[in-house]
Amino acid sequence: EAQVTQNPRYLITVTGKKLTVTCSQNMNHEYMSWYRQDPGLGLRQIYYSMNVEVTDKGDVPEGYKVSRKEKRNFPLILESPSPNQTSLYFCASSPGRVANVLTFGAGSRLTVL
Amino acid sequence: AQSVTQLGSHVSVSEGALVLLRCNYSSSVPPYLFWYVQYPNQGLQLLLKYTSAATLVKGINGFEAEFKKSETSFHLTKPSAHMSDAAEYFCAVSGGSSNDKIIFGKGTRLHILP
Repeated sequence: EAQVTQNPRYLITVTGKKLTVTCSQNMNHEYMSWYRQDPGLGLRQIYYSMNVEVTDKGDVPEGYKVSRKEKRNFPLILESPSPNQTSLYFCASSPGRVANVLTFGAGSRLTVL
Repeated sequence: AQSVTQLGSHVSVSEGALVLLRCNYSSSVPPYLFWYVQYPNQGLQLLLKYTSAATLVKGINGFEAEFKKSETSFHLTKPSAHMSDAAEYFCAVSGGSSNDKIIFGKGTRLHILP
């Protein structure tokens, strides 16, 4: 089944404890992106990648890192999480090098205490 | 640059009534436009997309949207609401085939009244 898989789905952590949210897609998509969803703010793009080793900032990149060492994986790294990063995170992918029709993962709900 | 405005963060309609969710966009280039739906505890799914072909776009589950360049609008409609349509709907815009970003609206939560 064609899908985007995120893990973990739910996580509660404490301020400053590094964490990684993994994202993997099995559709050979070139474009991948991370979004955060907050009430009243919709989806905001954190980082995106148009190909292996190519990443760029979205609208809200502060406090996050990403890497794209393999085409299928695009992990989101929070080096020192803070409470304002409590949110619902979505990974998405799209065929081609530009953003077109996105396939979304099921989401990762992160709480930072 | 692109932007999207969805009018109404919450919309309530009776079962069987017309659904109308409003979306206005701004784009400096011919846009691609999308509607996505998010059911509770799930990711977003594509409902339909406009990519400069027919201005009336038909999507899944009986939804359709009409691209109106003069009004910079891309409103989503369904003739008869069903209880299963209760979800959050997002309008999105990208700058066509040369753009690497999709901008989402803030979403409209659709409530279906029995």
